[in-house]
Amino acid sequence: GEDVEQSLFLSVREGDSSVINCTYTDSSSTYLYWYKQEPGAGLQLLTYIFSNMDMKQDQRLTVLLNKKDKHLSLRIADTQTGDSAIYFCAGRGDQGGKLIFGQGTELSVKP
Amino acid sequence: GAVVSQHPSWVICKSGTSVKIECRSLDFQATTMFWYRQFPKQSLMLMATSNEGSKATYEQGVEKDKFLINHASLTLSTLTVTSAHPEDSSFYICSAIRQETQYFGPGTRLLVL
Repeated sequence: GEDVEQSLFLSVREGDSSVINCTYTDSSSTYLYWYKQEPGAGLQLLTYIFSNMDMKQDQRLTVLLNKKDKHLSLRIADTQTGDSAIYFCAGRGDQGGKLIFGQGTELSVKP
Repeated sequence: GAVVSQHPSWVICKSGTSVKIECRSLDFQATTMFWYRQFPKQSLMLMATSNEGSKATYEQGVEKDKFLINHASLTLSTLTVTSAHPEDSSFYICSAIRQETQYFGPGTRLLVL
């Protein structure tokens, strides 16, 4: 089945760019998502990309998809302390809409 | 975006009691909802897929008699933890599908004493 992996921690300084990486195994994943989870809260959809796209930009967020390497990244420009959270990438195949989540990357933004 | 709510946001109960958690899609209809469980510092674990008007589909290892799911309308799914025990203490999150995307509720923290 699908396996999604992420690095567990990332620490950056306020104002820098953050890049969170994700690799997946199922090349049939049609949609790939990035979610943000703040402490004690649910998951907030940040952005998503279709498998036929290479890049998607939405304000401070840029998603890059390398289908050959099965690699997905989320770049946050001008990272702020409010961006500190856990970021999950998730892939969705055609199995009834189920999402397969990575372990989550804890982003720490230092002033 | 789509809005999904959960109620209650947190609950404390005694061991042996049953607890019901509600998940509602507020501004859209959802034929499919999902229930997840999340342990501290871990990712989400899918428990079951809730389908409106039919039986839920449980993931391997999830006891369907322990975690009862009912999806009686297009905007409401409920998860009942029956005869709860301390090991059932966890953060439970639901999601609903709208236009190919899952939108998540804010979660319910359950503590069983």
